[in-house]
Amino acid sequence: DAGVIQSPRHEVTEMGQEVTLRCKPISGHNSLFWYRQTMMRGLELLIYFNNNVPIDDSGMPEDRFSAKMPNASFSTLKIQPSEPRDSAVYFCASSPNDRATNEKLFFGSGTQLSVL
Amino acid sequence: GESVGLHLPTLSVQEGDNSIINCAYSNSASDYFIWYKQESGKGPQFIIDIRSNMDKRQGQRVTVLLNKTVKHLSLQIAATQPGDSAVYFCAENRASGGSYIPTFGRGTSLIVHP
Repeated sequence: DAGVIQSPRHEVTEMGQEVTLRCKPISGHNSLFWYRQTMMRGLELLIYFNNNVPIDDSGMPEDRFSAKMPNASFSTLKIQPSEPRDSAVYFCASSPNDRATNEKLFFGSGTQLSVL
Repeated sequence: GESVGLHLPTLSVQEGDNSIINCAYSNSASDYFIWYKQESGKGPQFIIDIRSNMDKRQGQRVTVLLNKTVKHLSLQIAATQPGDSAVYFCAENRASGGSYIPTFGRGTSLIVHP
């Protein structure tokens, strides 16, 4: 298994531009999470999906942020318009979501976003 | 509000020593805890987990201890190696609507000196 795949690996954009981050979870996993990591705030949960349905988006900072999961193998996190304070590493993670087994998350390698 | 926090932001040890990384949590409803290791440029990776009905669990060179009375979690790494240098996060998972909601602590940077 290739694990969780995120793209792009790095993104540099100018303030005001739209940014789209992509994630392919591990096949068969039912839950997908988007996290943002910064030195100041650590790992913050932005939103998570269960069976492609958004369950909790209370961590999404503003209306500029939106996330979709059109099918079980793909999710996007979009920022429009982007701002310098959005600069961070964005991680996608998936989980089997089976209470009978370990509920560990499998993380992708992240997208390093820099908004100038 | 509920939070997960770490006592030490940085821990420096000599190769071969044992390391202990601590974590405090405040949500007494949490029933599952995980330690993750994050190496530079990578996403966090699972190390070991423990459920609230246990107070100790051992893996290969790692042991997690859970003290529910004082809401404290620790990760012990035996015979620390340079490859153990990373940031370590504790996470508490709260069951909610059939899913787990993982909340991460701020992390502790472990530096292993050869």
